[in-house]
Order: sequence, then structure tokens, then C-alpha cells
Amino acid sequence: AQTVTQSQPEMSVQEAETVTLSCTYDTSENNYYLFWYKQPPSRQMILVIRQEAYKQQNATENRFSVNFQKAAKSFSLKISDSQLGDTAMYFCAFMKHRFGTGTRLTIIP
Amino acid sequence: SAVISQKPSRDICQRGTSLTIQCQVDSQVTMMFWYRQQPGQSLTLIATANQGSEATYESGFVIDKFPISRPNLTFSTLTVSNMSPEDSSIYLCSVIDRDTYEQYFGPGTRLTVT
Repeated sequence: AQTVTQSQPEMSVQEAETVTLSCTYDTSENNYYLFWYKQPPSRQMILVIRQEAYKQQNATENRFSVNFQKAAKSFSLKISDSQLGDTAMYFCAFMKHRFGTGTRLTIIP
Repeated sequence: SAVISQKPSRDICQRGTSLTIQCQVDSQVTMMFWYRQQPGQSLTLIATANQGSEATYESGFVIDKFPISRPNLTFSTLTVSNMSPEDSSIYLCSVIDRDTYEQYFGPGTRLTVT
């Protein structure tokens, strides 16, 4: 069975700093998708970034990038130049049906 | 992108009653899902709502407790039956864009069972 582990329940960084959220997963599949979702307080879950396992190149979306290590089954999210609006719960997900327990990220002014 | 609305946005229900949650999407989608998110917790997939056939339930979830309808490609309902306080949670509808495989979530229905 696929599992997703986020080992950092909470993190906080100063505004404009860079922060990396970790995620590891377990699967026997070779082709799959990985996702990072953001859930601001009392707001809707939104997709931050996704990675197709067959692509070696790490996905990037503006200030958000991933470090995808397929052999190590690691999928970390890097947020550069962090902003106050980045404060949220961040969930790592394997396909549609396995979500990590989340990392609560707080950006400090 | 897909815009998803859910009704009701929240409700407080008594033990033993049932609540039906509606999910409406602004475009036709192949794949629709229902999740549960208990307070401060991660998401758990309840079932995949299949158009024209019975829903596919994940381990730990059964049709008698969570009956699902999907009459067309833009609409689905989830019923939480014979509710107990343990059913208090946020229920989320979600869809996947079949071209981009991007997943979108509804705003959720916050259910409290007393």
C-alpha cells in the first residue's frame, strides 16, 4: 500500500527566507503523480505543484520548486522568497488517494 | 480549471439522522471523489463517484453508511447516514481534469454531529 510521510508537523520562517518541506512516500508503482497542496486557514485546498514520476526534471512554479528523488522516494517542496500569504497547511499527496499528515507553515513578518 | 461548489457549507445535525451533501462542478469531469478531513488532520479518500454506476469505496467506508449518487458528469451527492459524533468532519468533493490530471477541491462541508 502506498504511504506518504511528512515528518515536519510545524515549521516557521522569516518572511523572504527560503523553506523546504519534506515528504517521503512508499510505492511499488513506476508511473505516478505527486502533488503538493496548500490549505490556508479556513480556506479551500489548492494545488501548488505536481510532478510526474517519469519526468526527471524537477517541477517549478514561480517561487515553488520540488526536489524529486525517485530512487529515494523523496519529494520535497522548496518555497523561495517566502511571503506572508504562504502561511498555510501543506499536504504532500501520492496520486489522488494518499495524503500526508501535513506541515503547518507559518511565515513570520 | 474547474470550479466546484458544495451545499451546505456547514451543518449541525443530531445523532441518528442523515445529511446529503451536494457537489456541483462547472464543467464535465470524468473523475469525482469524496474525501473526509477531520479537524487538524489529513484527507482520507472515501470513494470515487462513478457516473452511471456504483461508487467505488476505499477500505473502511461502506455504501450503507456513505451512499453516493452521480447522475451526470457535473453533479454528485454524498449522504452521511445514521450519523454519530465520530462523523463530525469536513467533507470535500474533488475532481480531476482528465487532460492535465490536475485535481481541484470544493470548499468543503463542515459537519458537526451532536
